[in-house]
Amino acid sequence: GAVVSQHPSWVICKSGTSVKIECRSLDFQATTMFWYRQFPKQSLMLMATSNEGSKATYEQGVEKDKFLINHASLTLSTLTVTSAHPEDSSFYICSARVYRVLDEQFFGPGTRLTVL
Amino acid sequence: AQTVTQSQPEMSVQEAETVTLSCTYDTSESDYYLFWYKQPPSRQMILVIRQEAYKQQNATENRFSVNFQKAAKSFSLKISDSQLGDAAMYFCAYRSDNDMRFGAGTRLTVKP
Repeated sequence: GAVVSQHPSWVICKSGTSVKIECRSLDFQATTMFWYRQFPKQSLMLMATSNEGSKATYEQGVEKDKFLINHASLTLSTLTVTSAHPEDSSFYICSARVYRVLDEQFFGPGTRLTVL
Repeated sequence: AQTVTQSQPEMSVQEAETVTLSCTYDTSESDYYLFWYKQPPSRQMILVIRQEAYKQQNATENRFSVNFQKAAKSFSLKISDSQLGDAAMYFCAYRSDNDMRFGAGTRLTVKP
């Protein structure tokens, strides 16, 4: 199988603090990792795409200074929400892409962020 | 930009019956993938079925099948013999290169 983990699964923080979310591909090396944001009862919105060792590509409207993405290795990507505010409260999902027999993309279980 | 449209916010089906979820997309690409994902209350995205655009044959996975109409840019999902465990949000997705886009989703309710 192919497993993508996220840590933490949920986090509560105070406004103005920074929060780091980790995304790991446990049994494969990902060519590309993606970060999505999902508001309640809404769809997944792509925030950014990252490749190991290079800068992330952010979608229009996503502040790269606020949502810092570090893709340190082929199995680890981190999303840091800097100076979080209540409007940043959301469900964040990472995804990892790998070419094996097929070109596949696997999703992590998500991280629920609540900013007080 | 590529867009994915799911025009049915909610659908309901009787257990053991068949239901079809609609999806249309807009693209100028010729090479792409289409997907249906299921998102249960746990929020974990689960791949239901995938279709490569270059393949004319419709994909099937057990009780799940698609009707892929490339010229019409339509990609519907048919669930046969619906089960209570099929109840979830279903998202249609399009991917070309590194760009995966999702539709707004359809909430499927299965009535016992």
